[in-house]
Amino acid sequence: AQKITQTQPGMFVQEKEAVTLDCTYDTSDPSYGLFWYKQPSSGEMIFLIYQGSYDQQNATEGRYSLNFQKARKSANLVISASQLGDSAMYFCAMREGIQGGSEKLVFGKGTKLTVNP
Amino acid sequence: DTGVSQDPRHKITKRGQNVTFRCDPISEHNRLYWYRQTLGQGPEFLTYFQNEAQLEKSRLLSDRFSAERPKGSFSTLEIQRTEQGDSAMYLCASSSVGFSNGYTFGSGTRLTVV
Repeated sequence: AQKITQTQPGMFVQEKEAVTLDCTYDTSDPSYGLFWYKQPSSGEMIFLIYQGSYDQQNATEGRYSLNFQKARKSANLVISASQLGDSAMYFCAMREGIQGGSEKLVFGKGTKLTVNP
Repeated sequence: DTGVSQDPRHKITKRGQNVTFRCDPISEHNRLYWYRQTLGQGPEFLTYFQNEAQLEKSRLLSDRFSAERPKGSFSTLEIQRTEQGDSAMYLCASSSVGFSNGYTFGSGTRLTVV
């Protein structure tokens, strides 16, 4: 079974509008962390935001916020006020066993976001 | 510190040749990771070092792949007897204790096996 599922291969948004990128995850571990990364065409993975499974509040970092719904096992990324520079691939990732478990991140297949002027 | 540095950025090699990639992590990061990313996919974990110790390896890391991190600083990833299926982007990342700041990735080495 897929650990991380991103169901939107591609998304389009108008500049200055908000967009939500979906991510669902599968784990039986009560202790895990969820990450979102941006990958522009240059190839570098840029860390955007992190949500721990025990965090009470949804994470926010500037224009990025994470809509964390634990019971539904979803961790959607919301980008507000989209900019042309936001056009990129976006990956959701999970690390299980954050209290002494594996160090590896498991990534989804990504969503390609295109911001139109 | 300029972030995680990878060298070379691109490598074209003939099938059967050996290749070696280098990664220089952020200097204060004691953890280093290698990932492989094929076209249209997210990165897949290969291996992890804490200081000089290789603590975790994926089954993706066949016996043709070897990674080292001597002295807990830079790391090398070697692929022996390359195959066309090895063509991918090889990404290196580093982190310190307390991963809530994320793992910092380098720009990757794109390998093409012809």
